[in-house]
Amino acid sequence: DVKVTQSSRYLVKRTGEKVFLECVQDMDHENMFWYRQDPGLGLRLIYFSYDVKMKEKGDIPEGYSVSREKKERFSLILESASTNQTSMYLCASNAPRGSTDTQYFGPGTRLTVL
Amino acid sequence: KQEVTQIPAALSVPEGENLVLNCSFTDSAIYNLQWFRQDPGKGLTSLLLIQSSQREQTSGRLNASLDKSSGRSTLYIAASQPGDSATYLCAVPQGGSEKLVFGKGTKLTVNP
Repeated sequence: DVKVTQSSRYLVKRTGEKVFLECVQDMDHENMFWYRQDPGLGLRLIYFSYDVKMKEKGDIPEGYSVSREKKERFSLILESASTNQTSMYLCASNAPRGSTDTQYFGPGTRLTVL
Repeated sequence: KQEVTQIPAALSVPEGENLVLNCSFTDSAIYNLQWFRQDPGKGLTSLLLIQSSQREQTSGRLNASLDKSSGRSTLYIAASQPGDSATYLCAVPQGGSEKLVFGKGTKLTVNP
């Protein structure tokens, strides 16, 4: 059974803090993704990583950075949290295109920035 | 740029009814289409993945169809149950990439 875990289910931070969201997958997947989900806007891709130390910007990368030092772990970093980054953050992973693999999602982290 | 639309945004039905959820996409050059389910406050769970060479996929009471040429997919749920209440999302790849573009979902409520 594929498992994608996220470090926290709920997180409350203050404006200006540096925030780390961690995601770990146990299926040796090459691809990992970070999304945010907001009411009325749906899921939007922040960053995508297709291999260790490799990354691509998604649709809304501003204000975020990522780190992938090991294949199983993909971190999302908010360098200086702002209130408009209050959202649900979802991590996902899958095998590369050419397989029949879907994306597997973690349970999400609900981040509130005060 | 790929855009995905899901209609209706919300649907409420009595238990036992058969129902259809709709998904349309603007760029028909896709290599697959996926349907996901999301329960409130949770992550997404994959329901069905249809490869571009396929017309439909079935899993239990769920059947998803794909018509690439018209840019449409439907998710058919037979004999709906209260446990089917959730938001259903459709997703297709952006161009030929690994990145998915999601619709905003259809929120389904099945009333006992």
